[in-house]
Amino acid sequence: KAGVTQTPRYLIKTRGQQVTLSCSPISGHRSVSWYQQTPGQGLQFLFEYFSETQRNKGNFPGRFSGRQFSNSRSEMNVSTLELGDSALYLCASSLEPGLTGRETQYFGPGTRLLVL
Amino acid sequence: AQSVTQPDIHITVSEGASLELRCNYSYGATPYLFWYVQSPGQGLQLLLKYFSGDTLVQGIKGFEAEFKRSQSSFNLRKPSVHWSDAAEYFCAVGRTQGGSEKLVFGKGTKLTVNP
Repeated sequence: KAGVTQTPRYLIKTRGQQVTLSCSPISGHRSVSWYQQTPGQGLQFLFEYFSETQRNKGNFPGRFSGRQFSNSRSEMNVSTLELGDSALYLCASSLEPGLTGRETQYFGPGTRLLVL
Repeated sequence: AQSVTQPDIHITVSEGASLELRCNYSYGATPYLFWYVQSPGQGLQLLLKYFSGDTLVQGIKGFEAEFKRSQSSFNLRKPSVHWSDAAEYFCAVGRTQGGSEKLVFGKGTKLTVNP
């Protein structure tokens, strides 16, 4: 069974631009979560989607948004990019929702975004 | 503030030596506890998790962790480290707070294994 896939793997943008990242969960998984990983802040939760609905949201500005499609694939969008948005963005999928971990989350390899 | 602390940013051990990575959390009740590993250029892989019951949890790749309520700790151990264990290790805590679910990660411990 294929794992979580994220595209693109690497991305370079300039300040002010917007970016869309894509995540395809493991087949049969209905929940997708997004995380931002930076050297300074570590791993921080962005949002969780289940059945095309945002179920939980972390403490990020409104420039960060996401959505989930009927096939459970998810996208996240960052508008008006800032230098501080440079990070590794990780997507995780699980069979059912739940950030507390009762449902095991399987992580993708991430998309590394560099903002110049 | 609720937090997860991994006191050691970087640990170096020799191959074959034992390993213990520390994790402390500050929450009022017993949360759900996890250890993840991240190899360079890879996403996170779950090593083990604790919800309740036996406080010694066995995981994949020969890892185990022990939950100690009195010390608010969930330390990861391995009796004999292999060169392939070199990676970054993250402790995480999951809990429900105010109707919202949270999964909070520590800052990570980078493990170097010397031959």
